[in-house]
Amino acid sequence: QKEVEQNSGPLSVPEGAIASLNCTYSDRGSQSFFWYRQYSGKSPELIMSIYSNGDKEDGRFTAQLNKASQYVSLLIRDSQPSDSATYLCAGTPLGGGTASKLTFGTGTRLQVTL
Amino acid sequence: GAVVSQHPSRVICKSGTSVKIECRSLDFQATTMFWYRQFPKQSLMLMATSNEGSKATYEQGVEKDKFLINHASLTLSTLTVTSAHPEDSSFYICSASAQKHNEQFFGPGTRLTVL
Repeated sequence: QKEVEQNSGPLSVPEGAIASLNCTYSDRGSQSFFWYRQYSGKSPELIMSIYSNGDKEDGRFTAQLNKASQYVSLLIRDSQPSDSATYLCAGTPLGGGTASKLTFGTGTRLQVTL
Repeated sequence: GAVVSQHPSRVICKSGTSVKIECRSLDFQATTMFWYRQFPKQSLMLMATSNEGSKATYEQGVEKDKFLINHASLTLSTLTVTSAHPEDSSFYICSASAQKHNEQFFGPGTRLTVL
């Protein structure tokens, strides 16, 4: 079983709609979670961090964390064609201390259509 | 936000030569830097974790004598691909972290082509 799992997609949503990206993890000790956006041929860019249960909003992005269900999600409101990219979910492993390595999912490819 | 640079952005070299890639954290001190490799349409693969002033920790299957990592200061880590071969052609990306929550900030990557 992979430690961090994501649906590879592609997830296709029309422009202006809400894109919902989901991620599950197997390590109950994981404390911190991150969403990265990676455009084709480019390096990942950190777009959201979440550490506590509940929702965290930043502009059009909302991250949701449910540690009991071991579930992390990213909602993108008013999706734009420029949001088309691969979204990587990442978490810290059990016992992660300062600057521990992250466990990445394989990524979900999002396509926002006109 | 945290900015990480990499140099060079692209390099083409002949088989058998060595290539050095630099990774710098520009506006923060990075106690830990990470080196990844990514082949086309594949996931990020962590190669090694580098802590300032100490030896790097390599992931299983990564040859430490082929991929030399030096983290001499809190703002600079280097990856040297020694005796490069065509199968080493890939996208090499570094990241830097200094945050208690383990946020990693990625450099723009270096595309290596070995002829």
